[in-house]
Amino acid sequence: GQSLEQPSEVTAVEGAIVQINCTYQTSGFYGLSWYQQHDGGAPTFLSYNALDGLEETGRFSSFLSRSDSYGYLLLQELQMKDSASYFCAVRGYSGAGSYQLTFGKGTKLSVIP
Amino acid sequence: DSGVTQTPKHLITATGQRVTLRCSPRSGDLSVYWYQQSLDQGLQFLIQYYNGEERAKGNILERFSAQQFPDLHSELNLSSLELGDSALYFCASSSESSQETQYFGPGTRLLVL
Repeated sequence: GQSLEQPSEVTAVEGAIVQINCTYQTSGFYGLSWYQQHDGGAPTFLSYNALDGLEETGRFSSFLSRSDSYGYLLLQELQMKDSASYFCAVRGYSGAGSYQLTFGKGTKLSVIP
Repeated sequence: DSGVTQTPKHLITATGQRVTLRCSPRSGDLSVYWYQQSLDQGLQFLIQYYNGEERAKGNILERFSAQQFPDLHSELNLSSLELGDSALYFCASSSESSQETQYFGPGTRLLVL
């Protein structure tokens, strides 16, 4: 089976940097994804790491260490609109050429002035 | 706008009833995924279809079933509804070459009374 752990809530100040950690236990790991979900909205894809290291996309970066079964999402220059829930998701092989995403329970980020 | 559409947006029904949720994937995407999101369980993968065929099964109850039609739209059928089935149901789609990037529809909010 697969399980993911991430903090349930994080609060940070506008303009600051925040890191959301994710640890996972899985068999057949292929990659770690991050999704953002605003209240009442749909999850939207942020990033994907299949290999160790840092991936940067604008103000957001994502890191993966496969040996530590650990990753994080780094948000820089926080803006009020970044207040949302952030989910890490493990991509695992589910057979027949298909891959399945297993989501963590999400981290609710509150950005305060 | 992700390009994935879902209908209806909201659904209120009674216990024991049956409902059908509909999803149209992004143009060109052959894979459709269904997820259930409830407050205590987070985003749970239910089932995946690829080009009309079932490809992967997650935590889908026997009372639930899905199919994907030749025009690639998909329907999720929920029967013998229980109070605990009240949740947000999301459909997502992806291309074969980028299965790690899933595009989510706006969701259907189901309330079972």
